[in-house]
Amino acid sequence: KAGVTQTPRYLIKTRGQQVTLSCSPISGHRSVSWYQQTPGQGLQFLFEYFSETQRNKGNFPGRFSGRQFSNSRSEMNVSTLELGDSALYLCASSRDSGYEQYFGPGTRLTVT
Amino acid sequence: AQSVTQPDIHITVSEGASLELRCNYSYGATPYLFWYVQSPGQGLQLLLKYFSGDTLVQGIKGFEAEFKRSQSSFNLRKPSVHWSDAAEYFCAVGGGATNKLIFGTGTLLAVQP
Repeated sequence: KAGVTQTPRYLIKTRGQQVTLSCSPISGHRSVSWYQQTPGQGLQFLFEYFSETQRNKGNFPGRFSGRQFSNSRSEMNVSTLELGDSALYLCASSRDSGYEQYFGPGTRLTVT
Repeated sequence: AQSVTQPDIHITVSEGASLELRCNYSYGATPYLFWYVQSPGQGLQLLLKYFSGDTLVQGIKGFEAEFKRSQSSFNLRKPSVHWSDAAEYFCAVGGGATNKLIFGTGTLLAVQP
């Protein structure tokens, strides 16, 4: 089975712009979660989508949003980028709650 | 509050030596516990998981972990470390009803020849 894929792998944006990141889960997985990883805050949960519905949300401002499509692929969007949004954004997929999550390689976002 | 503590930020071991990475958790419900490994510039790879049952779980790459409920711990062990094990290791806790994982701050493992 193919693993979790994320595109793009690297992204450079300017403060104030918006960005969209994409995640394709493992085939058959219906849950997609997003995490932000930074040196200062570590790994933090952003949100989870299951069957096109947001099922859980972390403590991030409304500038961070996401969605999931009928084929379970997910996108996350960050609007009005700030320098502090520079991070590695990781996507993870699983069959459902209570199952292990498998992570993609991440998208490295740099905001200048 | 739900949290994961990895008290060792950085550990150096000699190749062939044994390894134990510590993890303590605080979680209100029955915990689901995980260890992940991350190489530089990469995503997280699942090493092993504990959901229920036998408290000693085996994972990939020769790793094992033991769940001790009384100590709220889930320490990772390997009897003989290889140079390729150098990476950052993360302990995480979640619940059966949620996919939200709470991660520790990670332990960076260096392996000396």
